[in-house]
Amino acid sequence: ETGVTQSPTHLIKTRGQQVTLRCSSQSGHNTVSWYQQALGQGPQFIFQYYREEENGRGNFPPRFSGLQFPNYSSELNVNALELDDSALYLCASSLGLAGIEETQYFGPGTRLLVL
Amino acid sequence: GENVGLHLPTLSVQEGDNSIINCAYSNSASDYFIWYKQESGKGPQFIIDIRSNMDKRQGQRVTVLLNKTVKHLSLQIAATQPGDSAVYFCAEIHYNTDKLIFGTGTRLQVFP
Repeated sequence: ETGVTQSPTHLIKTRGQQVTLRCSSQSGHNTVSWYQQALGQGPQFIFQYYREEENGRGNFPPRFSGLQFPNYSSELNVNALELDDSALYLCASSLGLAGIEETQYFGPGTRLLVL
Repeated sequence: GENVGLHLPTLSVQEGDNSIINCAYSNSASDYFIWYKQESGKGPQFIIDIRSNMDKRQGQRVTVLLNKTVKHLSLQIAATQPGDSAVYFCAEIHYNTDKLIFGTGTRLQVFP
């Protein structure tokens, strides 16, 4: 176990709705990164938060947003859901700024299905 | 996008044999490489890493080889066990960014 938890485990939404996914990092980990993993593909980086501020973003539109809280929890919010948003959403926490020799520990993910 | 294909390449090996999983990475300026194992219904699990100033690193039953000339990374698993069955991803990081770039992934199937 990595000590990183995510909720809910599964979620079904309809197109146009909004969703909030939650992650609880390992205690003491200041960095959380979010990834989208489509079926049969590798995870794709959405964005990263360090000490409650965004610290890098991948090729995702602004309707993907996030928050990080002082208690090592974080949220991924997606507005105006589209069918292609159906995927496994992973959060990963690391001690400092993820990068050279900073291991990212992944949670089990939230499986989102958009109908 | 950075990942292509819906059908993962699959490597089938017999229990006890050695496995070699290959990965071609995209950025010649990447500094740090990681292999992750992902079992069904779980998030990726760190296996082993290697920095760009090394060409080989060994762990317990696993070895990672890095060939920067051809931008190739491999993961060798000795005495493969049924519990090794999973999807394996290589990932790279360039020191100027903090994001992991994942490869396509390879499914390892171990049969008795």
